[in-house]
Amino acid sequence: DQQVKQNSPSLSVQEGRISILNCDYTNSMFDYFLWYKKYPAEGPTFLISISSIKDKNEDGRFTVFLNKSAKHLSLHIVPSQPGDSAVYFCAASAGSRLTFGEGTQLTVNP
Amino acid sequence: NAGVMQNPRHLVRRRGQEARLRCSPMKGHSHVYWYRQLPEEGLKFMVYLQKENIIDESGMPKERFSAEFPKEGPSILRIQQVVRGDSAAYFCASSPATSTDTQYFGPGTRLTVL
Repeated sequence: DQQVKQNSPSLSVQEGRISILNCDYTNSMFDYFLWYKKYPAEGPTFLISISSIKDKNEDGRFTVFLNKSAKHLSLHIVPSQPGDSAVYFCAASAGSRLTFGEGTQLTVNP
Repeated sequence: NAGVMQNPRHLVRRRGQEARLRCSPMKGHSHVYWYRQLPEEGLKFMVYLQKENIIDESGMPKERFSAEFPKEGPSILRIQQVVRGDSAAYFCASSPATSTDTQYFGPGTRLTVL
């Protein structure tokens, strides 16, 4: 049972444009959500998070939106840069363990 | 300030041998988590430990796998009698006691079982 799903395995955008990565979840007990970025042969790097009591959190070029009724969250990156090319994982927490999606490979073309 | 440290970065074992993976949390962090990433999959939770205590091991396979986080020294994930299906990237994460929601990951140990 995949409780956190990222339905797009890959996304390609032009430099300077907006990247939108999506994530859906099924467990209504999740109360904290995170996005991680991962380069090959490295560990995930924390990007941004949001509590279930909020619907938006912004940090520089990164904004996370949470729609609790739809059990959906998204990560917006604007403007996108070639260095943003990586695999992006969303994760959800209901306690201390994180449940991860399968990841979306983002490619930002110069 | 060093982040989460894991060693070795790469480990090769033959079937039936033991694998020991080490993790030193970030300075000031007392909570350690282990995750496994199989090829083409996301990370899967294995175990959550505090110093000298296993808090949640619901993601650990019932046999051959064990974890500890002693009072002194790194956390150890131990896999006995490894099989080819154990080949994966094993990631350790840590968090401070005051904020267990956000976990910071190490670079991982890539285990290859021949």
